[in-house]
Amino acid sequence: DADVTQTPRNRITKTGKRIMLECSQTKGHDRMYWYRQDPGLGLRLIYYSFDVKDINKGEISDGYSVSRQAQAKFSLSLESAIPNQTALYFCATSDPGGPYTGELFFGEGSRLTVL
Amino acid sequence: DAKTTQPPSMDCAEGRAANLPCNHSTISGNEYVYWYRQIHSQGPQYIIHGLKNNETNEMASLIITEDRKSSTLILPHATLRDTAVYYCIVSLKAAGNKLTFGGGTRVLVKP
Repeated sequence: DADVTQTPRNRITKTGKRIMLECSQTKGHDRMYWYRQDPGLGLRLIYYSFDVKDINKGEISDGYSVSRQAQAKFSLSLESAIPNQTALYFCATSDPGGPYTGELFFGEGSRLTVL
Repeated sequence: DAKTTQPPSMDCAEGRAANLPCNHSTISGNEYVYWYRQIHSQGPQYIIHGLKNNETNEMASLIITEDRKSSTLILPHATLRDTAVYYCIVSLKAAGNKLTFGGGTRVLVKP
């Protein structure tokens, strides 16, 4: 089983609908992230959380919200989806402790299409 | 974080070394160089990182110039499975992994 699991893997929805993408991890990491990737482009950071009580905006947080329900779970919500939010979304985790490498561990991605 | 510049694409012959360049002329003294790769549309995979010294692991080698303004990722014996987009990222360790992924280099390994 994957250490970082995203659900759903694919979703097609309509403009104006509320959508939630969920991420769960079994790595025991404190830090979790949501990234967005548009076709042919790199990843952009939406939100990140360094522990359960910590939420921080990334470079493109407008139109999104997040919830860190537990150490292992980090959800991304689109309150009212719009077509330009069509993208591939990645959840990632990292561990600041121990032999710190700066390594991010990514999930398999959630492909969202907003019609 | 300092900006990086990478060639948009490059080809490499299977079995040969692949040398991927990255320019980061505005890097500051305490910023690290990270390399990740993304195979097709999978989640990016960490390869290696370094500060000043050259680094090597089971996947690749990282050569950082003495002035730290550029670096080269070396895949010693490229295989078809190394076909991917490779991202060079510069970031402070204290930035807590808030890595910024640019366009990267699309590497095609050919038989």
